Amino acid sequence: GAVVSQHPSWVICKSGTSVKIECRSLDFQATTMFWYRQFPKQSLMLMATSNEGSKATYEQGVEKDKFLINHASLTLSTLTVTSAHPEDSSFYICSAETSGNEQYFGPGTRLTVT
Amino acid sequence: GESVGLHLPTLSVQEGDNSIINCAYSNSASDYFIWYKQESGKGPQFIIDIRSNMDKRQGQRVTVLLNKTVKHLSLQIAATQPGDSAVYFCAENIRQGAQKLVFGQGTRLTINP
Repeated sequence: GAVVSQHPSWVICKSGTSVKIECRSLDFQATTMFWYRQFPKQSLMLMATSNEGSKATYEQGVEKDKFLINHASLTLSTLTVTSAHPEDSSFYICSAETSGNEQYFGPGTRLTVT
Repeated sequence: GESVGLHLPTLSVQEGDNSIINCAYSNSASDYFIWYKQESGKGPQFIIDIRSNMDKRQGQRVTVLLNKTVKHLSLQIAATQPGDSAVYFCAENIRQGAQKLVFGQGTRLTINP
């Protein structure tokens, strides 16, 4: 149980375009999901907390207008990277929180902006 | 604590030996700690957790020790196997109620045959 999926697993886009990444909890409902970013050989950094039916809470230094988060249902949160630039290239990982306050992570999405 | 630097600490052990991975956390108010394993190109996988009212917890082949006095966490892996090769991260929950996890910098564990 407690499986989280992400789609796509990898994406390449051109600078200036937008990319949407989906995060789904497959076998449980998640009121809260989280989005992390991980650069090569570094740790995970929390970008934002996504709450179903309300606005996301962004961490300091994360631009809410650039990283749009939508959590429209209890099993789906989306992250849209708008006007992507090469410095946005990273590994984006989501997690979903169970009713027991455990976080289960998705497999990650590798974004490359050319 | 917060992740810094570009070079992951590395631990190399012989297959069958025990491994100990250490982590220093930053927030004395943190109440929940988790160890994750991350293989290349994949998301973190939960290994074991411990709450701040405990100092030791055992799982299958893994043990987590918590020393709140010095804000130190360790993960012991018994009889390491090739499949244990990965990067291991500790994480602390720094927010009461709704979770907010802060990850440590990670340690790369390499198992030698």
